[in-house]
Amino acid sequence: GQQVMQIPQYQHVQEGEDFTTYCNSSTTLSNIQWYKQRPGGHPVFLIQLVKSGEVKKQKRLTFQFGEAKKNSSLHITATQTTDVGTYFCAGVDNYGQNFVFGPGTRLSVLP
Amino acid sequence: DTGVSQDPRHKITKRGQNVTFRCDPISEHNRLYWYRQTLGQGPEFLTYFQNEAQLEKSRLLSDRFSAERPKGSFSTLEIQRTEQGDSAMYLCASSLGSGPGGEQYFGPGTRLTVT
Repeated sequence: GQQVMQIPQYQHVQEGEDFTTYCNSSTTLSNIQWYKQRPGGHPVFLIQLVKSGEVKKQKRLTFQFGEAKKNSSLHITATQTTDVGTYFCAGVDNYGQNFVFGPGTRLSVLP
Repeated sequence: DTGVSQDPRHKITKRGQNVTFRCDPISEHNRLYWYRQTLGQGPEFLTYFQNEAQLEKSRLLSDRFSAERPKGSFSTLEIQRTEQGDSAMYLCASSLGSGPGGEQYFGPGTRLTVT
């Protein structure tokens, strides 16, 4: 079945440093979504990417969808303490209807 | 508050008992998802409804689990003969759309502890 992996599992950065998490799927995805989950909270939708090679920006966050639609990345510029949380990618392959979430990357930001 | 509510927020039960959880999605959302999340892991898809129709069910889902959405509004998830391995956060999400994708709004979850 479809598998979604994320690296790194954990990332500790100093406030102001950049951060990137990578998402890789074993199958081609019809779209990919990114979610953020704060400690003790529930996942909150950040963005959805649909087109091959698509790049979207939200303030300090940049999202990319790979040309082959099997990988994606999230880059945060100049991290802030409010960026703390776990970032999940989630995708549905071209054959299924169910979303598969990656295991997440937990980001810690030291002030 | 996303507008998706779940009840109860916490449930402690003894092994072998049945439990039922309820999810009330955002009213105009036609799609409803159930996920299970354990500590340090991403949400694991369980099942999904479009209106009242259950369109997909994870192959990993034991037959002890059943979900309904009788009128296309709220949904219930029942776990029969609970096991300690069922202890997890059960998340419900809803979205609007007719195909794969769409922003999912998650509820606060129901934390199940099986003793």
